[in-house]
Amino acid sequence: DADVTQTPRNRITKTGKRIMLECSQTKGHDRMYWYRQDPGLGLRLIYYSFDVKDINKGEISDGYSVSRQAQAKFSLSLESAIPNQTALYFCATSDQFSLAGPPVSTGELFFGEGSRLTVL
Amino acid sequence: QKEVEQDPGPLSVPEGAIVSLNCTYSNSAFQYFMWYRQYSRKGPELLMYTYSSGNKEDGRFTAQVDKSSKYISLFIRDSQPSDSATYLCAMSVAGGTSYGKLTFGQGTILTVHP
Repeated sequence: DADVTQTPRNRITKTGKRIMLECSQTKGHDRMYWYRQDPGLGLRLIYYSFDVKDINKGEISDGYSVSRQAQAKFSLSLESAIPNQTALYFCATSDQFSLAGPPVSTGELFFGEGSRLTVL
Repeated sequence: QKEVEQDPGPLSVPEGAIVSLNCTYSNSAFQYFMWYRQYSRKGPELLMYTYSSGNKEDGRFTAQVDKSSKYISLFIRDSQPSDSATYLCAMSVAGGTSYGKLTFGQGTILTVHP
């Protein structure tokens, strides 16, 4: 089974609908992220969470909200979907860093396989 | 201007060729430099990382960072069809709360044909 699982993998919806993308992880990491990927734009950070009580906006949070239901679960919601939110969405996790000099962990991001969302 | 610029390609090379992938950046605070590889219909996976300047080699892959020029490169020697993927550069500033918050390039699509 995948360490980072996203559901649904594919979704087609209509403008104005509410959509939730879910992410669960078995890596035991505290830090979770939502990115979107668009052709020619790369990956852009939407929201991130360093623990259950910590939620932060990323580069492109407008039109999105998140919920960290547990250490292992982080969901992304589009309250009223619009066509320019059509994209590939990735959930990711990372480990803590050591602050004593160069980190033991690189903060490597572990990605799920993505959720392809199409808004008509 | 984007913080990180990467030529999207696509890049098509014959098997066995040396491949050079590059990114430029504008934020001098970036300290961690990474290359992710993304196969079709999959999430990105970390391929190489470098802290600060210098070179790092891992098998057929070499990552180079030139902070004075704000330029990073990934070289692939003896390229194989299995190297066909999208390669994304990514960078991060130092500081605990910033770790894991990466700024990505646009990605370069590489195809290695037999």
